[in-house]
Amino acid sequence: EDKVVQSPLSLVVHEGDTVTLNCSYEVTNFRSLLWYKQEKKAPTFLFMLTSSGIEKKSGRLSSILDKKELFSILNITATQTGDSAVYLCVKAGGTSYGKLTFGQGTILTVHP
Amino acid sequence: NAGVTQTPKFQVLKTGQSMTLQCAQDMNHNSMYWYRQDPGMGLRLIYYSASEGTTDKGEVPNGYNVSRLNKREFSLRLESAAPSQTSVYFCASSEAAVPYEQYFGPGTRLTVT
Repeated sequence: EDKVVQSPLSLVVHEGDTVTLNCSYEVTNFRSLLWYKQEKKAPTFLFMLTSSGIEKKSGRLSSILDKKELFSILNITATQTGDSAVYLCVKAGGTSYGKLTFGQGTILTVHP
Repeated sequence: NAGVTQTPKFQVLKTGQSMTLQCAQDMNHNSMYWYRQDPGMGLRLIYYSASEGTTDKGEVPNGYNVSRLNKREFSLRLESAAPSQTSVYFCASSEAAVPYEQYFGPGTRLTVT
């Protein structure tokens, strides 16, 4: 079965804290690993990772992939209330249609 | 540039009724997708269209049909709605049928009673 497992499933922090979200996946048909942020509506794209050990950064967010250990982490530093959302880890397969397998998501709540 | 649009935003159906969810994108993307999102299940692919003129089944196609009307539009039809189809439906598009970034529409919340 093609699985993506995220942890923790939910996390409550205060503004200014740093958080690390985890994602593990199965190796079958792997092409890339994506992170999305979902607030009340549609998921919005954060990062796509294809190579091990290369950190991608966007402001306070960063992510890295370990293809040997089959996991990825998403770090958010100096969290703000606007970071409250569900963070989705997604494995993109190697099939012709780019099948995405979604994890259940981590619900992040940032209190002021 | 509206991105991906979906109609309707909300819909309530009785068991056995039919309806079509509409999706359109204005980014000149080749590939389009329909997902459903259920609590605790993540997003699951229903159908996809790798390019205009082609459609294929995803992970959970039973009870649904799709039409890729043209490059811009991709519709999802429920022929005989069932309570198990109560879900939030997302349409997405991407530049090509490889795992490029997918852009999602705002979703349709469907309730089948």
